[in-house]
Amino acid sequence: GDSVTQMEGPVTLSEEAFLTINCTYTATGYPSLFWYVQYPGEGLQLLLKATKADDKGSNKGFEATYRKETTSFHLEKGSVQVSDSAVYFCAPFDTGRRALTFGSGTRLQVQP
Amino acid sequence: GAVVSQHPSRVICKSGTSVKIECRSLDFQATTMFWYRQFPKQSLMLMATSNEGSKATYEQGVEKDKFLINHASLTLSTLTVTSAHPEDSSFYICSARLRKETQYFGPGTRLLVL
Repeated sequence: GDSVTQMEGPVTLSEEAFLTINCTYTATGYPSLFWYVQYPGEGLQLLLKATKADDKGSNKGFEATYRKETTSFHLEKGSVQVSDSAVYFCAPFDTGRRALTFGSGTRLQVQP
Repeated sequence: GAVVSQHPSRVICKSGTSVKIECRSLDFQATTMFWYRQFPKQSLMLMATSNEGSKATYEQGVEKDKFLINHASLTLSTLTVTSAHPEDSSFYICSARLRKETQYFGPGTRLLVL
């Protein structure tokens, strides 16, 4: 099955800092790629997705580009806010199991 | 739109008892739902795929007799943890597939087995 490697957290940033959370994956073929976010005490929410190579998913100031050559889908945001503090999960869609495979999650803590 | 609910949100039970967790898609029909388990500060582990009107597909290492899944309608899937033991204590999360590969997640159920 697919596997996902995310950078270990926690990542601690000051407000308005630039954010990058690295994600690489192994998969059969070219799966759709997702980022989910889990705010404290809440369930997972879809943040953004990309369905084919070179696609850029974006939402709430976050962006991630589907890089087929490097099998990566790094999450970026130019200026983080305290409200962005959460756990972020990278997840390719496993076409064999027809289900998402989740990375270990990266906890982001943004300080005022 | 695309709201998924879970009930209960938290449950405490004695060892040896069974616990049922419900997962509902509130504003859409889902032929496929998924059950995950999340350990503290760890990723989500897929336990099984629940298909409406047919048997669930369990991941390797997940005991089907321990974790009974029933997907009786297009908006409801249930997970029953039978004869629960302390090692079954965890955070159980369901999701429902709306279209293609996009899944919407419930808020999770925290199970504590004493």
